Amino acid sequence: DVKVTQSSRYLVKRTGEKVFLECVQDMDHENMFWYRQDPGLGLRLIYFSYDVKMKEKGDIPEGYSVSREKKERFSLILESASTNQTSMYLCASSLSQGAGGNQPQHFGDGTRLSIL
Amino acid sequence: GNSVTQMEGPVTLSEEAFLTINCTYTATGYPSLFWYVQYPGEGLQLLLKATKADDKGSNKGFEATYRKETTSFHLEKGSVQVSDSAVYFCALSKGSASKIIFGSGTRLSIRP
Repeated sequence: DVKVTQSSRYLVKRTGEKVFLECVQDMDHENMFWYRQDPGLGLRLIYFSYDVKMKEKGDIPEGYSVSREKKERFSLILESASTNQTSMYLCASSLSQGAGGNQPQHFGDGTRLSIL
Repeated sequence: GNSVTQMEGPVTLSEEAFLTINCTYTATGYPSLFWYVQYPGEGLQLLLKATKADDKGSNKGFEATYRKETTSFHLEKGSVQVSDSAVYFCALSKGSASKIIFGSGTRLSIRP
């Protein structure tokens, strides 16, 4: 079974802090994704990466950056946290499309982040 | 552009009732279609998938058939249990990098 592990289930930070959310997958997947999930808004894609050191903006990248130095690890960075970034953050990974069509994504359990 | 529309919740049923959650999509060509489930306090889990027209995905008693003529992928279960209470997301994937477009989710509650 694919295992996607997010470093924290709950995190509380203060406005203006630099926040790191870490995600590790153990199945050698090429693609990794960061989403945020808010009531009434569903899942929104923040950033994704299809290879080491490669990244692409999703639908709501403002206020966030990402880092992918190793294939198994994808970090989400809040450069200067703000209260409107309080949310549930979900990491996911998938095989590349070349593995045979459109591949499903496998999700971690999420990090519930509160910015005070 | 590509999009997914699913029925709004919450949906409340009694145990052993028949379940249908409607999902329709808009996409050119032949996307892959998925149903994901999110139990309270957890991330999303893949429930079932279908990759071409007339494919039927099934898992844990749930089924969905890829209907290209009606651009639909409705989720069904013949007899729901309390443990099926969760949020269900319909989704499609098309194009590079396996990006997935999710519906807004349908919350399902099952009464004992």
